[in-house]
Amino acid sequence: DAGVIQSPRHEVTEMGQEVTLRCKPISGHDYLFWYRQTMMRGLELLIYFNNNVPIDDSGMPEDRFSAKMPNASFSTLKIQPSEPRDSAVYFCASSLLAGVGTDTQYFGPGTRLTVL
Amino acid sequence: GNSVTQMEGPVTLSEEAFLTINCTYTATGYPSLFWYVQYPGEGLQLLLKATKADDKGSNKGFEATYRKETTSFHLEKGSVQVSDSAVYFCALSDPGGRRALTFGSGTRLQVQP
Repeated sequence: DAGVIQSPRHEVTEMGQEVTLRCKPISGHDYLFWYRQTMMRGLELLIYFNNNVPIDDSGMPEDRFSAKMPNASFSTLKIQPSEPRDSAVYFCASSLLAGVGTDTQYFGPGTRLTVL
Repeated sequence: GNSVTQMEGPVTLSEEAFLTINCTYTATGYPSLFWYVQYPGEGLQLLLKATKADDKGSNKGFEATYRKETTSFHLEKGSVQVSDSAVYFCALSDPGGRRALTFGSGTRLQVQP
């Protein structure tokens, strides 16, 4: 399997522009997670899905952020409008829940976002 | 709520030195515990895990034992290599069923030749 795929790997945009990050989870996994990593706040969970349904979006910082999962093999994280403080590395991860102790999450390589 | 506390970094060691990175946690119930490693410019990779008390996770010479009595999951390696230089994250899964992981702040390890 190719693992979790994210695109783009790097994104540079100007303040006010819309940004869309993409993720393809590992085939067969039923959970998908979006994380944000910054020096100041470390790794933060933004939102996660189970079987394409958003379960917990309490980590989404504000209404400028939205995430969708239209099918089992694709998810997007959108920021509109973007601001310089959104600059971070955004990770997507997926997992397969098959019982106790099977919470291993597999991470993608991340998208480094810079908002000027 | 759940939380994970890791020792502050960076940790700087010479090659072949012994490594310990401390990790303690707070959680209700019995979480699974994980160590993830992040190499420069890459995503996090699972290093090892333990799912119940007294379990020992091990991989690539790294070990960690799930200690319920001290709520700890310290990472150890007997002889580090330059290639082990990375950031190490301790994490736990929510025993209450919320599937997201709670991560510690990460500890940067620098191994010098």
